[in-house]
Amino acid sequence: GESVGLHLPTLSVQEGDNSIINCAYSNSASDYFIWYKQESGKGPQFIIDIRSNMDKRQGQRVTVLLNKTVKHLSLQIAATQPGDSAVYFCAENGLWGSARQLTFGSGTQLTVLP
Amino acid sequence: DTEVTQTPKHLVMGMTNKKSLKCEQHMGHRAMYWYKQKAKKPPELMFVYSYEKLSINESVPSRFSPECPNSSLLNLHLHALQPEDSALYLCASSQPGQLNSGNTIYFGEGSWLTVV
Repeated sequence: GESVGLHLPTLSVQEGDNSIINCAYSNSASDYFIWYKQESGKGPQFIIDIRSNMDKRQGQRVTVLLNKTVKHLSLQIAATQPGDSAVYFCAENGLWGSARQLTFGSGTQLTVLP
Repeated sequence: DTEVTQTPKHLVMGMTNKKSLKCEQHMGHRAMYWYKQKAKKPPELMFVYSYEKLSINESVPSRFSPECPNSSLLNLHLHALQPEDSALYLCASSQPGQLNSGNTIYFGEGSWLTVV
């Protein structure tokens, strides 16, 4: 069936370094992807999204890359800060029953080391 | 800060209790969602309302009963829950129809439910 997966469950980076969080998806018909950040005890917070007609999209300190050939997307965080420590989920607007709904990947715990 | 407000933030209930979780949004969204999230797991969709009508209902146990009184409110009524139902319950909203840039799903901070 359709699934959205992540390569690594945990990632530790030094403060100031760049972080790269990866996500693989299996449905080639997926046309919209979202990255969410979830801090401990809080709900998922929208970070950035990308449509399948794009390869790259940039936000403030974040960049999402989409490679449709290998069905892979990544979230790059520049100059990682302690406040970036959280679980990051990629989500796919995939089919759920007869409609399209948001399906989450398993999440990557990002820890920023001082 | 999220514009989706959920109450209560924490709820402890016994297995024979009846309680409700509430959600409110003022973004003019006409689609609202309930997700369940267990510890260290991704959110899982439970219910979807579109234009105040239940449009998608996965096989969620009947001890969970959603209600959408109007376009800005969403409730989740809880009755005879089990300890394994303890989780973070997330409310979310968007415009109905295709999600894309300009129409994405925004989440509340969630209600932490503990069933004893």
